[in-house]
Amino acid sequence: AQSVTQLDSHVSVSEGTPVLLRCNYSSSYSPSLFWYVQHPNKGLQLLLKYTSAATLVKGINGFEAEFKKSETSFHLTKPSAHMSDAAEYFCVVSEPGGSYIPTFGRGTSLIVHP
Amino acid sequence: EPEVTQTPSHQVTQMGQEVILRCVPISNHLYFYWYRQILGQKVEFLVSFYNNEISEKSEIFDDQFSVERPDGSNFTLKIRSTKLEDSAMYFCASTGQSNTGELFFGEGSRLTVL
Repeated sequence: AQSVTQLDSHVSVSEGTPVLLRCNYSSSYSPSLFWYVQHPNKGLQLLLKYTSAATLVKGINGFEAEFKKSETSFHLTKPSAHMSDAAEYFCVVSEPGGSYIPTFGRGTSLIVHP
Repeated sequence: EPEVTQTPSHQVTQMGQEVILRCVPISNHLYFYWYRQILGQKVEFLVSFYNNEISEKSEIFDDQFSVERPDGSNFTLKIRSTKLEDSAMYFCASTGQSNTGELFFGEGSRLTVL
């Protein structure tokens, strides 16, 4: 069975400072991992994905994430936050060999202060 | 760029009424999903659909819910007798033949049950 834990419900940063959103997963297989972003009153947009290729994955808007199997983590980072990054971020795990139903974390709300 | 489209964007209904939410997945996709997000809560899996039948469903997807793909393009979610607690954002998603778990989401349909 698969699961995903987003360790922080809220993260608050100042504009121009680094962003770290933490995600840990549990999976019986080699999972695929994703980060989605949801801006207020909008749908879910894929930021980046890991599907067993390079462990450091680059996404849109300057975000990246590193798959660390030893730590079962897939933390999302960005060197410098922008006001437009304020949104809800979801870490998602999906494992092969079964029905491939992606499972969402509870979400992390990123707050960016001027 | 192909996209998943959902209608209506917002529906208000009275408790006990039937509601149909419509989705047009990306045309060459084979796997279809409905997820639900109650305000302020996590995104929850409802049901997946493949080869014209339900492949997986969650505990939430009880007898008041049904899905169908009536004409090869639309994918609908029907709620037979709505309850107050069905108020949520409903997201449709689809994915392609490889099914790596990457979901392509629509913008969502907000259902408000009064």
